[in-house]
Amino acid sequence: DVKVTQSSRYLVKRTGEKVFLECVQDMDHENMFWYRQDPGLGLRLIYFSYDVKMKEKGDIPEGYSVSREKKERFSLILESASTNQTSMYLCASRSPVNTEAFFGQGTRLTVV
Amino acid sequence: RKEVEQDPGPFNVPEGATVAFNCTYSNSASQSFFWYRQDCRKEPKLLMSVYSSGNEDGRFTAQLNRASQYISLLIRDSKLSDSATYLCLRGSQGNLIFGKGTKLSVKP
Repeated sequence: DVKVTQSSRYLVKRTGEKVFLECVQDMDHENMFWYRQDPGLGLRLIYFSYDVKMKEKGDIPEGYSVSREKKERFSLILESASTNQTSMYLCASRSPVNTEAFFGQGTRLTVV
Repeated sequence: RKEVEQDPGPFNVPEGATVAFNCTYSNSASQSFFWYRQDCRKEPKLLMSVYSSGNEDGRFTAQLNRASQYISLLIRDSKLSDSATYLCLRGSQGNLIFGKGTKLSVKP
């Protein structure tokens, strides 16, 4: 069975902290994505990666960075967390050719 | 960049009703389309892929109109358990663009 796993379901961090959100998939997918979801704004793409060590900015990359050192793992980094980064973060993966995407269970991050 | 526009909703319908959602898209590059369902505080899950010829899965019918650049989802005989947010997804080489989602509430 397909599996995308995010490291934490709920996370509370302080303003200014460096935050790592981890995502691991077991399907040998090339493409991986990080989204944030906020009420009324839908899913917004932060970054995506179409292969190891490759990354592309999405619609809202400011304040975030990513790392893809291994095919199965895609990390989202908040260099200095701010309260406006409080959100639900969703990781997804898929193989590259017009196939469905699979999601992790989401991480609800609160920055205080 | 509004590449995928979706009916905002919410749609409040009685059980047994037929309801339809649409998404319009720009950019006619080669791409694929999907409908996802998202329950409250859960991750989106695939409901069905959308094929050019149209496809049906039980009470759900998905259609793609490339000439007019929209996709649709029709739900017949709505059930209480259909209450959720429905998201359209446009996939192209390497990228995925979601609509904002349409909230459906089915009432007894």
